[in-house]
Amino acid sequence: DAKTTQPNSMESNEEEPVHLPCNHSTISGTDYIHWYRQLPSQGPEYVIHGLTSNVNNRMASLAIAEDRKSSTLILHRATLRDAAVYYCILRDLSGGSNYKLTFGKGTLLTVNP
Amino acid sequence: GAGVSQSPSNKVTEKGKDVELRCDPISGHTALYWYRQRLGQGLEFLIYFQGNSAPDKSGLPSDRFSAERTGESVSTLTIQRTQQEDSAVYLCASSLSFSGEQYFGPGTRLTVT
Repeated sequence: DAKTTQPNSMESNEEEPVHLPCNHSTISGTDYIHWYRQLPSQGPEYVIHGLTSNVNNRMASLAIAEDRKSSTLILHRATLRDAAVYYCILRDLSGGSNYKLTFGKGTLLTVNP
Repeated sequence: GAGVSQSPSNKVTEKGKDVELRCDPISGHTALYWYRQRLGQGLEFLIYFQGNSAPDKSGLPSDRFSAERTGESVSTLTIQRTQQEDSAVYLCASSLSFSGEQYFGPGTRLTVT
């Protein structure tokens, strides 16, 4: 799997937008960009994924650079419940064996009240 | 609808004892995964089920570890003759297919004393 690079930590204030960056300069054409998060003492939680176009769902938005070498997860209004470790991963879904999720260190997001 | 559930939530056992961990996936999810997460570490893939067959057992650390799945429902992970290095959170996830988003349970925290 291609590698991703994320900042170790970020801080935000409650009710403000948060932009979490991810670099993936060696991404291949069949790699999907996935984001998961892990709240303290809980299992990981799927957030969003995309291939080329920007994506929105009820949890977040995903902005993908035109060259696909970077992406940004956007939380429009951070809440205390959004404090978690956020993982950006690449999954090549064209093959039959890319079901194993491998998380790097991710970004620890702290949300201040 | 109901998410992935795991039981027990916590298990403390003595070294050398056998333990069984249970996972109830989301109804209709054909794919099921077991992962292990040691304190402060990333996810470690253990095994993947498609239906009740396990095409990938490559992550099982030793022959003390085994897993089975009944149809497309409950799965149990068994650890025989537990060792202290088995202490970790054991996470179960399920998805509609091998390439789909994975939905995680809350995990079972295993402590071997």
